[in-house]
Amino acid sequence: SYELTQPPSVSVSPGQTASITCSGDKLEDKYASWYQQKPGQSPVLVIYQDTKRPSGIPERFSGSNSGNTATLTISGTQTMDEADYYCQAWDSSTYVVFGGGTKLTVL
Amino acid sequence: QLQLQESGPGLVKPSETLSLTCTVSGGSISSSSYYWGWIRQPPGKGLEWIGSIYYSGSTYYNPSLKSRVTISVDTSKNQFSLKLSSVTAADTAVYFCARRIPKDWSYGYWGQGTLVTVSS
Repeated sequence: SYELTQPPSVSVSPGQTASITCSGDKLEDKYASWYQQKPGQSPVLVIYQDTKRPSGIPERFSGSNSGNTATLTISGTQTMDEADYYCQAWDSSTYVVFGGGTKLTVL
Repeated sequence: QLQLQESGPGLVKPSETLSLTCTVSGGSISSSSYYWGWIRQPPGKGLEWIGSIYYSGSTYYNPSLKSRVTISVDTSKNQFSLKLSSVTAADTAVYFCARRIPKDWSYGYWGQGTLVTVSS
């Protein structure tokens, strides 16, 4: 079965750039999506098809996907960006698969 | 504004069947552009995709759950439903219903989620 691997945690200072990675076999051949989830809330889609932002998502959120790694980048990170982030991809054997999640701490 | 609302029992006994319904408002479940899905999240853990359905009834299931899962749609009520059989404590989770974005497997709209606890 297909698996996506994320670091459990990432820390960043306010105003700096945060990068969260997601690794999977030949991930660049698939589309990667990213979700933000704050405590007690439903996930919010922040990036889909590797680089696209849904309406209403701030421009500081961007994505890339190359080789075996997709990356979510948050530029000028704000305290409100502190949350759990999940990557997601589609695979022909497992269909939708999520990464284990990364806790982003802004301090 | 599209809204999705999960409903169903919050407590299910081991070995029984978990049943949840997602009611869609502010949009038609029969739209040809969208698939609808279920995702769950055990307390303190990550997201797990359960499956998805098209208004025609076409379904995709997580292979690890496929033997126990049935997702169905009722277009007359603008609802779709989840049944998970032979539940154990490991099925305790917040269950979300959601809508995929067109021509993609990402989920752009989510319900608020409902906690289902499996316990005797």
